[in-house]
Amino acid sequence: DVKVTQSSRYLVKRTGEKVFLECVQDMDHENMFWYRQDPGLGLRLIYFSYDVKMKEKGDIPEGYSVSREKKERFSLILESASTNQTSMYLCASIGEPYEQYFGPGTRLTVT
Amino acid sequence: DQQVKQNSPSLSVQEGRISILNCDYTNSMFDYFLWYKKYPAEGPTFLISISSIKDKNEDGRFTVFLNKSAKHLSLHIVPSQPGDSAVYFCAASALQGAQKLVFGQGTRLTINP
Repeated sequence: DVKVTQSSRYLVKRTGEKVFLECVQDMDHENMFWYRQDPGLGLRLIYFSYDVKMKEKGDIPEGYSVSREKKERFSLILESASTNQTSMYLCASIGEPYEQYFGPGTRLTVT
Repeated sequence: DQQVKQNSPSLSVQEGRISILNCDYTNSMFDYFLWYKKYPAEGPTFLISISSIKDKNEDGRFTVFLNKSAKHLSLHIVPSQPGDSAVYFCAASALQGAQKLVFGQGTRLTINP
């Protein structure tokens, strides 16, 4: 079974802090994704990566950056957290065909 | 613009009856469609998918129908069970899209005993 793990289930940070969300997958998938889920808005793509050190912006990249130094690990970085970044963050990696396997999510609260 | 729309935020169905969840899309380049199920405090899990070359795909109690001319797909669950209570997301992808998925807003399905 594909396993996608995220470093934290719940996180509380203060406005202006730098936040790191880590995601690891164990299936040697090349493509990995970061989404945020908000009520009434579904899942919105923040960034994705199709190879080590390769990244592309998704639909809502503002205020975020990513890092992919190893194939199995994809990190989401909030350079200076703001209250409007309070959300559920979901990491996914993709198998074939098109089936994305999701981690359990990180509920981030920025106060 | 919302390329994938689920116009019903919630749906309530009696146990044992059929649940029908609907999804509309606007981008004619989409050629693969998926349904995901999500429980609270968990990540979405893949449920069923359909390619644009088909109009129906069935897996046990779950059937997805695709009407390309109407740009509409639906998920049928028969019979509905209490464990089916969850949020359901439809998603779409275009072959040229680096396997990115575009998700709808989700529909919360509640199965009543």
